[in-house]
Amino acid sequence: VQLVQSGGGLVQPGGSLRVSCVASGLTISRNYMTWVRQAPGKGLEWVSFISAGGSTYYADPVKTRFTVSRDESKNTLYLQMTSLRVEDTAVYYCAREMTGRFFDWGQGILVTVSS
Amino acid sequence: EIVLTQSPGTLSLSPGERATLSCRASQSVDSSSLAWYQQKPGQAPRLLIYGASSRATGIPDRFSGSGSGTDFTLSISRLEPEDFAVYYCQHYGSSSRTFGQGTKVGIK
Repeated sequence: VQLVQSGGGLVQPGGSLRVSCVASGLTISRNYMTWVRQAPGKGLEWVSFISAGGSTYYADPVKTRFTVSRDESKNTLYLQMTSLRVEDTAVYYCAREMTGRFFDWGQGILVTVSS
Repeated sequence: EIVLTQSPGTLSLSPGERATLSCRASQSVDSSSLAWYQQKPGQAPRLLIYGASSRATGIPDRFSGSGSGTDFTLSISRLEPEDFAVYYCQHYGSSSRTFGQGTKVGIK
């Protein structure tokens, strides 16, 4: 299993960004997939997950601003982030879940929100 | 929402010593929903323990997990140099996941 992330970078407050997670060795649409973030020097924070059936769930700080989705044809997971805030600055990880535990992780991608 | 509180924040130990890390939940949780991760600088976390006490594939048997209800423990029987890292507990519910704030195991 390999999860390769892309799409991070610098964005201004209030802006938008989409990060991607391309999977190999697993079919994303048959798995629960999660996004976890880690602010610089801080701990891990769960952000969102999408179930195999397509249901989506979000942590309160990102609810209404972030959207998790997937493209089955590309076997890719996305996190669309809008109305970004300085406090959203973090390394974002995608991960494959099995029964709520995160077994496989992407390499992480840095999102910096700054003017 | 379940809140996980880890203690201590930092543990300073020498190689060969035993490490005992605590994770306390704000309310009783099913043991099957509690996991532990190890994270080294610049790396993604790695799953160590799931279901409170089951080792993930490839995890050495010096790592063990225990506990139930609100109190859970990760033990490292004899610290190896590669074990100095940050450790997180994690809980999953039907619609959310939660991490503790982490315990750093540093070299004394």
